[in-house]
Amino acid sequence: DAGVTQSPTHLIKTRGQQVTLRCSPKSGHDTVSWYQQALGQGPQFIFQYYEEEERQRGNFPDRFSGHQFPNYSSELNVNALLLGDSALYLCASSRTEGVNEQFFGPGTRLTVL
Amino acid sequence: QKEVEQNSGPLSVPEGAIASLNCTYSDRGSQSFFWYRQYSGKSPELIMSIYSNGDKEDGRFTAQLNKASQYVSLLIRDSQPSDSATYLCAVNGGYSTLTFGKGTMLLVSP
Repeated sequence: DAGVTQSPTHLIKTRGQQVTLRCSPKSGHDTVSWYQQALGQGPQFIFQYYEEEERQRGNFPDRFSGHQFPNYSSELNVNALLLGDSALYLCASSRTEGVNEQFFGPGTRLTVL
Repeated sequence: QKEVEQNSGPLSVPEGAIASLNCTYSDRGSQSFFWYRQYSGKSPELIMSIYSNGDKEDGRFTAQLNKASQYVSLLIRDSQPSDSATYLCAVNGGYSTLTFGKGTMLLVSP
């Protein structure tokens, strides 16, 4: 049973650039949530996708956008990168029905120079 | 603003001892509570979930929930050096969105 997968593993960008991160959920899961984790902090909720729509959003600017595809995989896009966007970006998948446990992928480490 | 508070540690315990990790939360309406373990440089791994008041045991781990006091704890019995990690407390904020604490670093010395 494949777990949550994310790509790429690491990414280095410069300020002002745009980045796209990808996530495939665990088999049987239909909901994808994205989190940002800065060094020494807990993950911060960015947004959640269900049925190809953004269902919930955290306190992040609209430079952060996303998409969910019919196969439940998801993308996170960040425009106009800032130095402060350097972080570990985590994707978590869950089932909308039943137990609402979230399982994380390995993350994408983004460095903005 | 929903908040989850944890002591950042580090919490140092000798091998074989009981490690006790604590967490408080601000949203009285929260219904689901989770403990994740995160090794350095890795992503969080779900180790326990708890939904009702009382204790829930799974192997060496026991999660305790007291909704009246808005308090969640994790006990690790017979701590091992491999348990050394940061433990994140997370609270469900609706539609399965999670609010995390900053985590408590646990160090288990041989």
